[in-house]
Amino acid sequence: GAVVSQHPSRVICKSGTSVKIECRSLDFQATTMFWYRQFPKQSLMLMATSNEGSKATYEQGVEKDKFLINHASLTLSTLTVTSAHPEDSSFYICSARDASLAGGETQYFGPGTRLTVL
Amino acid sequence: QKEVEQDPGPLSVPEGAIVSLNCTYSNSAFQYFMWYRQYSRKGPELLMYTYSSGNKEDGRFTAQVDKSSKYISLFIRDSQPSDSATYLCAMSDLQGGKLIFGQGTELSVKP
Repeated sequence: GAVVSQHPSRVICKSGTSVKIECRSLDFQATTMFWYRQFPKQSLMLMATSNEGSKATYEQGVEKDKFLINHASLTLSTLTVTSAHPEDSSFYICSARDASLAGGETQYFGPGTRLTVL
Repeated sequence: QKEVEQDPGPLSVPEGAIVSLNCTYSNSAFQYFMWYRQYSRKGPELLMYTYSSGNKEDGRFTAQVDKSSKYISLFIRDSQPSDSATYLCAMSDLQGGKLIFGQGTELSVKP
């Protein structure tokens, strides 16, 4: 149980284009989803928290107009990197939790999406 | 000072060794403590979850939390080459709240 998928697993795009990353909870309803980015040899940095049906809460320093988050259903959240630049190249990871599950305070992570902006 | 400190390693041990991984933290409000394992180019996998102080055991893994010292540990017994990965500690002050991660310790278990 508690499986989270991400799509695509890897994407390469040109500078200036937009990229959408999907995060799905496959066997539970995710009341809350989180988006992280991770640079090589570094830890996960939380970008934003989204609750189904409401606006995402962004961490300090994260541009909400650049990183658009939509949590339209209890099983799907999307992160769109708009007008991507090479400095946006990173490993993006989502996580999800369902407070109704026993141990629902824990987060279950997707496999990550590696974004490379040329 | 970071909220959560974790030695990044790398840590190299022979197969069968007992591995000790640790994190210290500064926020006394943290109550929920987790250990994640992350293989290269993959998402983190939850290994252990502990609430408040105490020990928790699951197979070859034991998690310890000492809130008085603001120190948590993960022990791996009879380590295997398949245990080679980066181990991340994470903690939160609220149930289901934002997780604060350590930097991760890179572990290599040599056959």
